[in-house]
Amino acid sequence: QVQVVESGGRGVQPGGSLRLSCVASGFTFSSCGMHWVRQAPGKGLEWLAFIRSDGSDKYYADSVKGRFTVSRDDSKNTLYLQMNSLRTEDTAVYYCATGARRDSYTFFYWGRGTQVTVSS
Amino acid sequence: DIQMTQSPSSLSASVGDRVTITCRASQNIDNFLNWYQQQPGKAPSLLISDISNLQSGVPSRFSGSGSGTDFTLTITSLQPEDSATYSCQQSFSAPLSFGGGTRVEI
Repeated sequence: QVQVVESGGRGVQPGGSLRLSCVASGFTFSSCGMHWVRQAPGKGLEWLAFIRSDGSDKYYADSVKGRFTVSRDDSKNTLYLQMNSLRTEDTAVYYCATGARRDSYTFFYWGRGTQVTVSS
Repeated sequence: DIQMTQSPSSLSASVGDRVTITCRASQNIDNFLNWYQQQPGKAPSLLISDISNLQSGVPSRFSGSGSGTDFTLTITSLQPEDSATYSCQQSFSAPLSFGGGTRVEI
Protein backbone atom coordinates (compact mmCIF):
# COMPACT_ATOMS: atom_id res chain seq x y z
CA GLN A 1 0.00 0.00 0.00
CA VAL A 2 1.04 3.60 -0.49
CA GLN A 3 3.14 4.92 2.36
CA VAL A 4 5.13 8.08 2.94
CA VAL A 5 7.23 8.52 6.06
CA GLU A 6 8.76 11.82 7.10
CA SER A 7 11.83 12.28 9.26
CA GLY A 8 14.39 14.88 10.23
CA GLY A 9 12.33 17.17 12.40
CA ARG A 10 13.91 18.46 15.62
CA GLY A 11 14.51 21.59 17.64
CA VAL A 12 16.63 24.27 15.99
CA GLN A 13 17.56 27.87 16.76
CA PRO A 14 16.26 30.82 14.71
CA GLY A 15 18.42 31.35 11.66
CA GLY A 16 19.39 27.70 11.57
CA SER A 17 18.90 25.07 8.90
CA LEU A 18 17.27 21.68 8.73
CA ARG A 19 16.65 19.05 6.06
CA LEU A 20 13.51 16.95 6.16
CA SER A 21 13.19 13.66 4.31
CA CYS A 22 10.19 11.69 3.12
CA VAL A 23 10.61 8.07 2.05
CA ALA A 24 7.90 6.76 -0.24
CA SER A 25 6.77 3.22 -0.99
CA GLY A 26 3.88 1.36 -2.58
CA PHE A 27 3.77 3.43 -5.77
CA THR A 28 6.02 4.48 -8.62
CA PHE A 29 7.71 7.42 -6.94
CA SER A 30 9.50 8.63 -10.06
CA SER A 31 6.17 9.09 -11.85
CA CYS A 32 4.50 11.22 -9.17
CA GLY A 33 4.63 14.81 -8.05
CA MET A 34 5.20 15.36 -4.34
CA HIS A 35 4.19 18.02 -1.86
CA TRP A 36 5.11 19.42 1.54
CA VAL A 37 2.35 20.78 3.79
CA ARG A 38 2.70 22.08 7.33
CA GLN A 39 0.49 22.84 10.30
CA ALA A 40 1.53 25.27 13.00
CA PRO A 41 0.25 24.65 16.53
CA GLY A 42 -3.49 25.34 16.70
CA LYS A 43 -3.54 26.54 13.10
CA GLY A 44 -4.83 25.29 9.77
CA LEU A 45 -3.04 23.47 6.99
CA GLU A 46 -0.55 25.41 4.86
CA TRP A 47 0.73 24.09 1.54
CA LEU A 48 4.45 24.77 1.19
CA ALA A 49 5.99 23.24 -1.90
CA PHE A 50 5.53 20.96 -4.89
CA ILE A 51 8.01 19.19 -7.12
CA ARG A 52 6.94 17.69 -10.44
CA SER A 53 7.54 14.01 -11.14
CA ASP A 54 10.47 14.76 -13.43
CA GLY A 55 11.79 17.53 -11.20
CA SER A 56 11.35 20.10 -13.95
CA ASP A 57 9.02 22.36 -11.99
CA LYS A 58 9.04 23.44 -8.37
CA TYR A 59 6.47 25.72 -6.77
CA TYR A 60 6.57 27.35 -3.35
CA ALA A 61 4.34 29.28 -0.99
CA ASP A 62 5.36 32.91 -0.61
CA SER A 63 6.02 32.30 3.10
CA VAL A 64 8.96 29.99 2.32
CA LYS A 65 10.09 31.09 -1.13
CA GLY A 66 13.83 31.79 -1.14
CA ARG A 67 14.36 29.97 2.18
CA PHE A 68 13.11 26.44 1.51
CA THR A 69 14.10 24.15 -1.35
CA VAL A 70 12.30 20.98 -2.39
CA SER A 71 14.19 18.20 -4.14
CA ARG A 72 13.92 14.51 -4.85
CA ASP A 73 16.13 11.47 -5.32
CA ASP A 74 14.23 8.92 -7.37
CA SER A 75 16.94 6.30 -6.83
CA LYS A 76 16.09 6.40 -3.13
CA ASN A 77 12.34 7.07 -3.44
CA THR A 78 12.96 10.07 -1.24
CA LEU A 79 11.65 13.63 -1.15
CA TYR A 80 13.55 16.37 0.66
CA LEU A 81 12.85 19.80 2.08
CA GLN A 82 15.91 21.91 2.79
CA MET A 83 14.93 24.65 5.22
CA ASN A 84 17.26 27.60 5.73
CA SER A 85 17.00 30.85 7.69
CA LEU A 86 14.43 29.27 9.97
CA ARG A 87 12.10 31.53 11.95
CA THR A 88 10.03 30.90 15.04
CA GLU A 89 6.92 31.01 12.86
CA ASP A 90 8.22 27.94 10.98
CA THR A 91 7.44 25.85 14.07
CA ALA A 92 4.97 23.24 12.84
CA VAL A 93 4.31 19.63 11.98
CA TYR A 94 5.57 19.07 8.45
CA TYR A 95 3.75 16.57 6.25
CA CYS A 96 4.76 14.92 3.02
CA ALA A 97 1.79 14.32 0.73
CA THR A 98 1.14 12.98 -2.73
CA GLY A 99 -1.58 12.09 -5.16
CA ALA A 100 0.45 9.01 -6.11
CA ARG A 101 -0.70 9.64 -9.64
CA ARG A 102 1.23 11.77 -12.14
CA ASP A 103 1.48 15.35 -10.90
CA SER A 104 -1.73 15.56 -8.94
CA TYR A 105 -2.52 18.59 -6.81
CA THR A 106 -4.85 16.47 -4.64
CA PHE A 107 -3.39 14.99 -1.48
CA PHE A 108 -4.58 11.39 -1.56
CA TYR A 109 -1.84 10.15 0.76
CA TRP A 110 -0.20 11.76 3.77
CA GLY A 111 2.59 10.84 6.12
CA ARG A 112 2.28 11.09 9.89
CA GLY A 113 4.36 14.24 9.94
CA THR A 114 7.58 15.34 11.61
CA GLN A 115 7.78 18.08 14.23
CA VAL A 116 9.99 21.10 13.66
CA THR A 117 10.47 23.50 16.55
CA VAL A 118 12.32 26.78 16.02
CA SER A 119 13.21 28.38 19.30
CA SER A 120 16.11 30.00 21.06
CA ASP B 1 -3.17 33.54 -5.81
CA ILE B 2 -6.45 31.85 -4.89
CA GLN B 3 -7.80 32.45 -1.40
CA MET B 4 -10.11 29.91 0.22
CA THR B 5 -12.59 31.15 2.83
CA GLN B 6 -14.29 28.54 4.98
CA SER B 7 -17.16 28.98 7.41
CA PRO B 8 -17.95 28.54 10.17
CA SER B 9 -14.60 28.19 11.92
CA SER B 10 -16.22 25.93 14.49
CA LEU B 11 -19.59 24.45 15.29
CA SER B 12 -21.22 22.30 17.90
CA ALA B 13 -23.96 19.86 16.96
CA SER B 14 -25.71 16.81 18.31
CA VAL B 15 -25.65 13.23 17.16
CA GLY B 16 -28.09 12.87 14.30
CA ASP B 17 -27.92 16.52 13.25
CA ARG B 18 -27.33 17.67 9.68
CA VAL B 19 -24.18 19.79 9.41
CA THR B 20 -23.17 22.07 6.57
CA ILE B 21 -19.74 23.64 6.03
CA THR B 22 -19.13 26.14 3.26
CA CYS B 23 -16.02 27.05 1.33
CA ARG B 24 -15.64 29.98 -1.06
CA ALA B 25 -12.84 30.48 -3.56
CA SER B 26 -11.64 33.95 -4.56
CA GLN B 27 -11.95 32.95 -8.22
CA ASN B 28 -13.47 30.20 -10.33
CA ILE B 29 -11.76 26.87 -9.61
CA ASP B 30 -14.06 24.70 -11.74
CA ASN B 31 -14.35 21.33 -10.01
CA PHE B 32 -10.90 21.40 -8.36
CA LEU B 33 -12.14 21.39 -4.79
CA ASN B 34 -11.25 18.78 -2.16
CA TRP B 35 -12.28 18.19 1.45
CA TYR B 36 -10.08 16.72 4.19
CA GLN B 37 -10.87 15.40 7.64
CA GLN B 38 -8.34 15.64 10.45
CA GLN B 39 -8.85 13.87 13.74
CA PRO B 40 -7.04 15.38 16.76
CA GLY B 41 -3.36 14.48 16.74
CA LYS B 42 -3.57 12.74 13.37
CA ALA B 43 -2.61 13.55 9.81
CA PRO B 44 -5.35 14.82 7.50
CA SER B 45 -7.10 12.35 5.24
CA LEU B 46 -8.87 12.96 1.94
CA LEU B 47 -12.62 12.79 2.33
CA ILE B 48 -13.97 14.08 -0.98
CA SER B 49 -12.18 15.00 -4.20
CA ASP B 50 -13.32 17.08 -7.16
CA ILE B 51 -16.31 18.56 -5.31
CA SER B 52 -18.29 15.38 -4.80
CA ASN B 53 -16.22 12.21 -5.27
CA LEU B 54 -16.41 10.33 -2.00
CA GLN B 55 -13.20 8.45 -1.25
CA SER B 56 -13.22 4.73 -0.60
CA GLY B 57 -14.28 3.89 2.93
CA VAL B 58 -15.90 7.27 3.62
CA PRO B 59 -19.45 6.87 4.94
CA SER B 60 -22.25 7.94 2.63
CA ARG B 61 -23.50 10.49 5.19
CA PHE B 62 -20.74 12.74 3.83
CA SER B 63 -21.40 14.59 0.59
CA GLY B 64 -20.01 17.52 -1.34
CA SER B 65 -21.60 19.94 -3.74
CA GLY B 66 -21.10 23.28 -5.44
CA SER B 67 -19.48 24.77 -8.50
CA GLY B 68 -17.24 27.60 -9.59
CA THR B 69 -16.52 29.49 -6.39
CA ASP B 70 -18.99 28.20 -3.79
CA PHE B 71 -18.85 24.74 -2.29
CA THR B 72 -20.46 22.80 0.53
CA LEU B 73 -19.61 19.79 2.67
CA THR B 74 -22.65 18.19 4.25
CA ILE B 75 -22.78 15.58 6.96
CA THR B 76 -26.22 14.10 7.34
CA SER B 77 -26.94 12.38 10.64
CA LEU B 78 -23.78 13.41 12.50
CA GLN B 79 -22.01 10.60 14.37
CA PRO B 80 -19.65 10.78 17.38
CA GLU B 81 -16.68 9.71 15.24
CA ASP B 82 -17.23 12.75 12.99
CA SER B 83 -15.75 15.01 15.65
CA ALA B 84 -12.81 16.46 13.72
CA THR B 85 -11.57 19.44 11.77
CA TYR B 86 -12.61 19.70 8.14
CA SER B 87 -10.64 21.70 5.58
CA CYS B 88 -11.28 22.53 1.96
CA GLN B 89 -8.45 22.80 -0.58
CA GLN B 90 -8.24 24.11 -4.12
CA SER B 91 -6.27 21.95 -6.55
CA PHE B 92 -6.84 24.29 -9.49
CA SER B 93 -3.48 26.04 -9.55
CA ALA B 94 -0.29 26.62 -7.61
CA PRO B 95 0.21 28.06 -5.09
CA LEU B 96 -2.27 25.58 -3.66
CA SER B 97 -4.37 26.74 -0.74
CA PHE B 98 -6.57 25.49 2.08
CA GLY B 99 -9.51 27.01 3.85
CA GLY B 100 -8.96 27.87 7.50
CA GLY B 101 -10.72 24.74 8.72
CA THR B 102 -13.94 24.01 10.57
CA ARG B 103 -13.80 22.30 13.93
CA VAL B 104 -16.86 20.11 14.48
CA GLU B 105 -17.71 19.24 18.06
CA ILE B 106 -20.33 16.75 19.04
